[in-house]
Amino acid sequence: QVQLQESGPGLVKPSQTLSLTCTVSGGSISSGDYYWSWIRQPPGKGLEWIGYIYYSGSTYYNPSLKSRVTISVDTSKNQFSLKLSSVTAADTAVYYCARVYYGRQRYFDYWGQGTLVTVSS
Amino acid sequence: DIQMTQSPSSLSASVGDRVTITCQASQDISNYLNWYQQKPGKAPKLLIYDASNLETGVPSRFSGSGSGTEFTLTISSLQPDDFATYYCQQYKSFSFTFGPGTKVDIK
Repeated sequence: QVQLQESGPGLVKPSQTLSLTCTVSGGSISSGDYYWSWIRQPPGKGLEWIGYIYYSGSTYYNPSLKSRVTISVDTSKNQFSLKLSSVTAADTAVYYCARVYYGRQRYFDYWGQGTLVTVSS
Repeated sequence: DIQMTQSPSSLSASVGDRVTITCQASQDISNYLNWYQQKPGKAPKLLIYDASNLETGVPSRFSGSGSGTEFTLTISSLQPDDFATYYCQQYKSFSFTFGPGTKVDIK
């Protein structure tokens, strides 16, 4: 059974960079059928896709966040990471990592439990 | 960018009711549409992929239909475990977009 676990600071100051890591267990991040994604959800609001990465390093980002987002992968640690720069209070959200099945269909099939990141001084 | 809308934004229903949620895309997305269920404090759970395919382990009272720009999620007989928020999500392009969600609560 694949499991994903987010980790990182729960509090980030405005204008700084938010950094999170997702550790994958029960399966290899280098499996060819999957991409690895970040999604966020502001308190009381809906879901926003941030971006995803293939184990080779290929990335796709939400155009609305592209200028501030970097997603990277470390296959040796079975981890992938998110960096979001120049954060503001609007970036306060629960951040989820998820696996994307990427065949003819594409869907998020496994999710982490989510981690709340608050942007505040 | 492809935008998604859902209606209604919320609804109240009773156990045993038939519930239908609609999702609309701003352009033709063929059948590249998934549905998720989210309960408070939990990650979303995949229910339906490719507009009408039931994910393994999901009860058969859930069904999806539609193509192009109009899609529906139907719960044939609402159960206590189904009170949650439901999201549609498109994947026609390399980008993914979620709908704003429909909250289903107890009448």
